[in-house]
Amino acid sequence: QSALTQPASVSGSPGQSITIACSGTSSDVGGYNYVSWYQQHPGKAPKLMIYDVTNRPSGVSYRFSGSKSGNTASLTISGLQAEDDADYYCSSYTSISTSYVFGTGTKVTVL
Amino acid sequence: EVQLVESGGAVVQPGGSLRLSCAASGFSFDDYFTMHWVRQAPGRGLEWVSLITWDGGVIYYADSVKGRFTISRDNSRNSLYLQMNSLRGEDTAIYYCARATSWDYYFDYWGQGTLVTVSS
Repeated sequence: QSALTQPASVSGSPGQSITIACSGTSSDVGGYNYVSWYQQHPGKAPKLMIYDVTNRPSGVSYRFSGSKSGNTASLTISGLQAEDDADYYCSSYTSISTSYVFGTGTKVTVL
Repeated sequence: EVQLVESGGAVVQPGGSLRLSCAASGFSFDDYFTMHWVRQAPGRGLEWVSLITWDGGVIYYADSVKGRFTISRDNSRNSLYLQMNSLRGEDTAIYYCARATSWDYYFDYWGQGTLVTVSS
């Protein structure tokens, strides 16, 4: 099972909005509304930011939002803040081997 | 507060074995929670490894570890395990345990991870 495709890096200035794409196939992203997004700061464990494409867990800032179109999911961070500087990974359930697949990861840099 | 604490990571030679543990607290471990292992090679991305349902009735593995790794749990001890045999250099990674509810497809809590290094 190949990893989902994400851009290696995205950057933006404080207050700006950025969007991270996560490209998959009809066996994963496109076939199910089971896309989730995780934030990971250096040396820390991943943290759930978005689940089931668009849902935000309790405690996660409203500045984080998710969407999906076809085989591509997206994470948008609005009003970029210094603490958003981190790695972000998408994940999806996949019918191949009945398992899970992660994205390649995106380094978000707040300029 | 939900806590997941991994242990058992070490330096091991290629071909060797290791058993990882994950101690859970702050929630009812046997109450319809599927547990997962996810790993991250140094400087690399996340890779899903294995899952086990709340009662151990359903188990899945990534192709990269199938036949070498065995996931198990002991609900009486609130613990998750990963027995790793025939270890290879490419198994070098931080191993995280993560929780999901039985009917969900995302990982809502993660441990801090334990480092496994396979090297001679």
